[in-house]
Amino acid sequence: GQQVMQIPQYQHVQEGEDFTTYCNSSTTLSNIQWYKQRPGGHPVFLIQLVKSGEVKKQKRLTFQFGEAKKNSSLHITATQTTDVGTYFCAGFGDNQGGKLIFGQGTELSVKP
Amino acid sequence: GAGVSQTPSNKVTEKGKYVELRCDPISGHTALYWYRQSLGQGPEFLIYFQGTGAADDSGLPNDRFFAVRPEGSVSTLKIQRTERGDSAVYLCASSLDLQETQYFGPGTRLLVL
Repeated sequence: GQQVMQIPQYQHVQEGEDFTTYCNSSTTLSNIQWYKQRPGGHPVFLIQLVKSGEVKKQKRLTFQFGEAKKNSSLHITATQTTDVGTYFCAGFGDNQGGKLIFGQGTELSVKP
Repeated sequence: GAGVSQTPSNKVTEKGKYVELRCDPISGHTALYWYRQSLGQGPEFLIYFQGTGAADDSGLPNDRFFAVRPEGSVSTLKIQRTERGDSAVYLCASSLDLQETQYFGPGTRLLVL
């Protein structure tokens, strides 16, 4: 079945450093979503990418969807302590209806 | 309500018992999803509903798990003959329509002793 992999599993950075997490799917995706989960919290939607090669920005966060619609990345510029949490990518397969498959997440810790 | 709510927030049960977990989606959302999340893992898809019908239940681990949404709003996830391996956080989410933003509830933390 469809699988979504994320790397790295953990990332520890000094405040002000940049951070990137990568997401790869075993199959072509109709679209990809990114979520953030704070410690003890639930996933919160960040963004959705639909078009091949799409790039979207939210302040210090930049999201990319690969040309083949099988990979994606999230880049955070100049991390802050408020960025701490686990970032998940999640993808819908081309013919998967509402079935959303999550990656295992990248846990970000930021040292002040 | 303002968001997705789930009850109970915590449930401790003994191996072999039956449990029901409830989800109240955002009013007007047609799609409802159940996930299971273990420590250090991403949410694992279980089932989703479009209206009252289970559109895809391919993620349910076995026939001990069952979910209903009889009136197209509230949903109940039912687990029979619970096992220790069922211990996890069970998350519910809803969306206005398929493949749109999913809004997650706070989850039910299930512990099977």
